[in-house]
Amino acid sequence: AQTVTQSQPEMSVQEAETVTLSCTYDTSESNYYLFWYKQPPSRQMILVIRQEAYKQQNATENRFSVNFQKAAKSFSLKISDSQLGDTAMYFCAFMGGLRGGSEKLVFGKGTKLTVNP
Amino acid sequence: NAGVTQTPKFQVLKTGQSMTLQCAQDMNHNSMYWYRQDPGMGLRLIYYSASEGTTDKGEVPNGYNVSRLNKREFSLRLESAAPSQTSVYFCASSEASPGLAGSSSYNEQFFGPGTRLTVL
Repeated sequence: AQTVTQSQPEMSVQEAETVTLSCTYDTSESNYYLFWYKQPPSRQMILVIRQEAYKQQNATENRFSVNFQKAAKSFSLKISDSQLGDTAMYFCAFMGGLRGGSEKLVFGKGTKLTVNP
Repeated sequence: NAGVTQTPKFQVLKTGQSMTLQCAQDMNHNSMYWYRQDPGMGLRLIYYSASEGTTDKGEVPNGYNVSRLNKREFSLRLESAAPSQTSVYFCASSEASPGLAGSSSYNEQFFGPGTRLTVL
């Protein structure tokens, strides 16, 4: 079974600075997707960024980028120019079983990020 | 276009009571999911429905039943609520049916706003 580990329960960063959230995962599959979700105090789950395992290029979405190290099974999220609105829980998630399996998401336990003014 | 809606938003039950959480989506998605979120545990899959008429167990199905009423609606039932079922429950939906042979395409899961359930 796949597992996703987020080793940082809480982090904080000053506004306008850069922060990196860590995620490692375990799988025997070669074809899969990785995601970062943001959950603000409103509880809504918001997809921040996704990475396809067969793509070597790291995904980027505006201020959010990932460092995907497939051999090391590492998938970290970098937030540049942090804003107060980035304060939220961040979940790393894995989706595998894409050939004849089911598209189930496996989530890490989350990292609570606080952006300080 | 409301996306994924859940009712109720909040609910308090006594141990042993039953209730049904409702979920509906208006995106014509085939697949629907129920997750629970506990403090420090992330989200865990309870049940999912690949398509209308089918349901399968996820990681933590014990104590729950589901019904895929039609393509739009997927309900989660607690027959005899227990304090261990105190949690936030999320419904989600996605485009394609999982399990398609040879499928390697990604289909984003869209989440509802969640239901906070407390069992006393």
